[in-house]
Amino acid sequence: DAMVIQNPRYQVTQFGKPVTLSCSQTLNHNVMYWYQQKSSQAPKLLFHYYDKDFNNEADTPDNFQSRRPNTSFCFLDIRSPGLGDAAMYLCATSRGTAGVTDTQYFGPGTRLTVL
Amino acid sequence: DAKTTQPPSMDCAEGRAANLPCNHSTISGNEYVYWYRQIHSQGPQYIIHGLKNNETNEMASLIITEDRKSSTLILPHATLRDTAVYYCIVRVVSGGSYIPTFGRGTSLIVHP
Repeated sequence: DAMVIQNPRYQVTQFGKPVTLSCSQTLNHNVMYWYQQKSSQAPKLLFHYYDKDFNNEADTPDNFQSRRPNTSFCFLDIRSPGLGDAAMYLCATSRGTAGVTDTQYFGPGTRLTVL
Repeated sequence: DAKTTQPPSMDCAEGRAANLPCNHSTISGNEYVYWYRQIHSQGPQYIIHGLKNNETNEMASLIITEDRKSSTLILPHATLRDTAVYYCIVRVVSGGSYIPTFGRGTSLIVHP
C-alpha cells in the first residue's frame, strides 16, 4: 500500500522555468519534510511542516518555497531552477509525537533534471 | 551538522553477517538512534531504532554500547538486496522539533 506518494517520479524543466513537485500521504501524519539529495550525497533537509507551522532551514535558498494546503498534501515550488538544483527531492512524513522518538516514512523521490 | 560518524564503505559476503558501526559520542541522554537505508535511486527506508537497550526486528539487530556513544547495526545474513547506503541518525532540534539529520552514511556492498 502506498503511504507517501511523490509525483512525478521524474521531472525535467528548463533553466529558470518554475516547477512544482508534489507529495501526498495516507498516514495522517502531522509532520511533512522536504529533502534535497544530490548525487552521492546525503539527503539535506530543506524545510518541514508541523501541521500548518512552517519551519525553514537556515541555509535553504529563497528560490525554494513550500505549501501545505491540508494534512495530506505538500508541495515544493522551485521558482527559478538553476543547474545546481538538479537533484533527487525526497518527501517524508512522521507522526510528530512529543519527545525524541519519531520514525520518518519516505516517498520514492522525484528526480529533477534542469536543462 | 550530522552528529554521527560512519565508515564511508564496507563490504560483506552474501550469507554472512554485516556489522555496521556508528559513532555518536555527543548523543544526549534522551535521544534515540535511528538507522535507515537507501537503495540506489529509492527513498530511505526505516530499519530500526533504539535508546539504550539492544533491539531486534525482522530486518536487523541494533547493539548500543552502555555509554551510548556508539552503536552497531547487524544484518545477520546479508543478501545481495541489502546492498545500499546505511544511515545512522541522531536527531537535532530545529524549529522546536527534533529533526533527523543525515550524515554521509556507509555504502555497504554485499558480494556473492
